[in-house]
Amino acid sequence: GDSVTQMEGPVTLSEEAFLTINCTYTATGYPSLFWYVQYPGEGLQLLLKATKADDKGSNKGFEATYRKETTSFHLEKGSVQVSDSAVYFCALSDRDFGNEKLTFGTGTRLTIIP
Amino acid sequence: GAGVSQTPSNKVTEKGKYVELRCDPISGHTALYWYRQSLGQGPEFLIYFQGTGAADDSGLPNDRFFAVRPEGSVSTLKIQRTERGDSAVYLCASSSPGQWGRTDTQYFGPGTRLTVL
Repeated sequence: GDSVTQMEGPVTLSEEAFLTINCTYTATGYPSLFWYVQYPGEGLQLLLKATKADDKGSNKGFEATYRKETTSFHLEKGSVQVSDSAVYFCALSDRDFGNEKLTFGTGTRLTIIP
Repeated sequence: GAGVSQTPSNKVTEKGKYVELRCDPISGHTALYWYRQSLGQGPEFLIYFQGTGAADDSGLPNDRFFAVRPEGSVSTLKIQRTERGDSAVYLCASSSPGQWGRTDTQYFGPGTRLTVL
């Protein structure tokens, strides 16, 4: 079945550091890939997505590129801020007509210190 | 506009009791999903509704779990004979019809934290 493996946390970085959170996937079909973020005390929010190979999703300075050859969707940001502290989830949706159920990784807790 | 709402935000119950968790999706969203998130884990799919019908209930862990969406809007997740292992955050998400039969981004509610004592 489908699965997502992401970098275990917690991850602690200083402000303005470069961030990478690794994510690899296994899927039977040709999935769409997502990064969701959960800020303290808030619900899950979509951060970015990519629906086909070589697509790059981007939002709020974060980027991730859909790499079919390595089955990866690593999240990157060039200069993190304290406000980026949150839990980040990589997820996939395998294309089953109309049913876009998400398969999530276990999440990576990111803490940015000033 | 209003997002996905879930009630109650917290529910504490005793082992063996029956509970109902409610989800109010974004108006006009025909697709509705339930997920369960255990501590330290990512959300796990439970059930998917398209309109009033449960199109995929393959994630329901056993027959103690049941969900309905009688009018194609509000959904209720029902858990019978609760067990301590049912303790988790139950998340609801909704999405609108997209192009070419695909649904759009899922918008999540804040979740209901269920604690079974």
